[in-house]
Amino acid sequence: QSALTQPASVSGSPGQSITISCTGTNSDIGGYNSVSWYQQHPGKAPRVMIYDVTNRPSGVSNRFSGSKSGNTASLTISGLQAEDEADYYCSSYTSSTALLLFGGGTRLTVL
Amino acid sequence: QGQLVESGGGLVKPGGSLRLSCAASGFSFSDYYMNWIRQAPGKGLEWLSYISSNSNSPEIKYADSVRGRFTISRDNAKNSVSLQLSSLRTEDTAVYFCASGYLWFDPWGQGTQVIVSS
Repeated sequence: QSALTQPASVSGSPGQSITISCTGTNSDIGGYNSVSWYQQHPGKAPRVMIYDVTNRPSGVSNRFSGSKSGNTASLTISGLQAEDEADYYCSSYTSSTALLLFGGGTRLTVL
Repeated sequence: QGQLVESGGGLVKPGGSLRLSCAASGFSFSDYYMNWIRQAPGKGLEWLSYISSNSNSPEIKYADSVRGRFTISRDNAKNSVSLQLSSLRTEDTAVYFCASGYLWFDPWGQGTQVIVSS
């Protein structure tokens, strides 16, 4: 099964807000509230930033927020900081045999 | 704060086997689903397998790409989860992460590198 679709790259200046989209189908994002978002710095393990579409784990800045509309989920980062520069991956439960899909990843550049 | 540490990666020839291990500490390991996720060089993440917390009859799931070749297991007494990799292919070359959770993952280990090459 194909991965969820994310833009390859996004960029923003410090202090600005950016949004990363993640598009799937009715069998995954559109059908379930099991979308999560991960941040990965080069050479490091991923870190969960959002789970179950909108929930933030303890310790994650409230500058990070998640939402969903139809088959598309979104991660918004407000007040961009240099440390936010990283790769971001979405994931979703899927009713197919794949069980869980990841997006292809989005490289965030802070200008 | 939970911590996971993987081991067992290395260089293996196509068709070969390898056993990866993941040691957990700092959280109630036996209460949590455990997963293996990999990342090929320069590529994105791919979920591979999970094993539920039920030690008597755990639920196990695999991605289509590894079903029949990889086997997940856990030892709650030793706070560890393993992934037996068999019939390895060059496309299995990746960093393999273990991670805790059901459908979302926290914490993650630092990963162990598997290279499949002749």
